[in-house]
Amino acid sequence: KNQVEQSPQSLIILEGKNCTLQCNYTVSPFSNLRWYKQDTGRGPVSLTIMTFSENTKSNGRYTATLDADTKQSSLHITASQLSDSASYICVVTNSNSGYALNFGKGTSLLVTP
Amino acid sequence: GAGVSQSPSNKVTEKGKDVELRCDPISGHTALYWYRQRLGQGLEFLIYFQGNSAPDKSGLPSDRFSAERTGESVSTLTIQRTQQEDSAVYLCASSYLPSGRSEQYFGPGTRLTVT
Repeated sequence: KNQVEQSPQSLIILEGKNCTLQCNYTVSPFSNLRWYKQDTGRGPVSLTIMTFSENTKSNGRYTATLDADTKQSSLHITASQLSDSASYICVVTNSNSGYALNFGKGTSLLVTP
Repeated sequence: GAGVSQSPSNKVTEKGKDVELRCDPISGHTALYWYRQRLGQGLEFLIYFQGNSAPDKSGLPSDRFSAERTGESVSTLTIQRTQQEDSAVYLCASSYLPSGRSEQYFGPGTRLTVT
């Protein structure tokens, strides 16, 4: 069973609207959680990284939250733009294995005019 | 500076043929990773190189898959006797330190199609 589950699988929103993507994980012990943006035909690019003690982190219009107690994270996108259309991937690192990352399947976001 | 580069960007091959995929990491990055991304699936870890240590090959799906890295530079992923289920995007990433402690930077990937 995948240790990182993302929802929704896909999402369509109008340009200018906000949206929130969810990530639930069972990875333990927890080291850090990253959100990546992957444009079509490109490699993933890191948006945010959070450790156990961090509850929220922003990167421009992207704000990630982390609840380490419930093992949940969210990525909120404000005032969406057409260029936000991409796959958003949640990645959780196990602190016992510093290099092995646990990837979610991603949420495919389409922003329409 | 230059990011991680991969070649070729696309590769179409016939079932049973061997293929070689190349990754040029960011200069100075000691760690290099290969991943496979099947359509609609998350990234699967394949293999990890760290400096001169023995690589972690625990993610390789079969003995048809192998990878090499010369020092802290170029890496090649070889798939022998390709099968249709090998069709996927193969992503390479590098990091200055093991990824638990530093960011991984991904290349654009090689899209492999086995016909």
